[in-house]
Amino acid sequence: DAGVIQSPRHEVTEMGQEVTLRCKPISGHNSLFWYRQTMMRGLELLIYFNNNVPIDDSGMPEDRFSAKMPNASFSTLKIQPSEPRDSAVYFCASSQKGSPLHFGNGTRLTVT
Amino acid sequence: GEDVEQSLFLSVREGDSSVINCTYTDSSSTYLYWYKQEPGAGLQLLTYIFSNMDMKQDQRLTVLLNKKDKHLSLRIADTQTGDSAIYFCAESPPRDQLIWGAGTKLIIKP
Repeated sequence: DAGVIQSPRHEVTEMGQEVTLRCKPISGHNSLFWYRQTMMRGLELLIYFNNNVPIDDSGMPEDRFSAKMPNASFSTLKIQPSEPRDSAVYFCASSQKGSPLHFGNGTRLTVT
Repeated sequence: GEDVEQSLFLSVREGDSSVINCTYTDSSSTYLYWYKQEPGAGLQLLTYIFSNMDMKQDQRLTVLLNKKDKHLSLRIADTQTGDSAIYFCAESPPRDQLIWGAGTKLIIKP
């Protein structure tokens, strides 16, 4: 199994641009999570899906952030417009019910 | 409120044992986890313990759980340079998502 696959690994963009982060969960996993990691705030859960349905998006910072899961093998996290304070490492993780989370290697986003 | 607490840093000599501690808040948490994060990588599941256990051993790793004090520890025997990483503790409340500690950075001195 290839594990959770995220792309791109690094993204550098200018303030105001749209950013799309992508995630392919482990096949057969029915839960998908988007996390953000920063030095100041640590690991924050942004949103999670069960069976492709968003369950809790209370961690999404503001309306500039949106996430979709059109099918069981793909999810996107979009930031539009991006701001410098969005700079962080964004992780996607997946799991089966009752099993531990498996993380991707993350996307390091830098907004200048 | 909900909070998982860990020391931010631990420094040990190569070959010694490392003990990373964690306190959690929800006594009904079913599982407690240890994840390892190496530089530039995602969090990797290291080990976990079910709440009805008080100890779990896996090669160089020993997890101790004290439910009364809501205290979890991870002991790494014969610490090697490859053990340098940030170690995250997480608890799993029965009807909620994982609650994460801030991570303990393990520094290995030669």
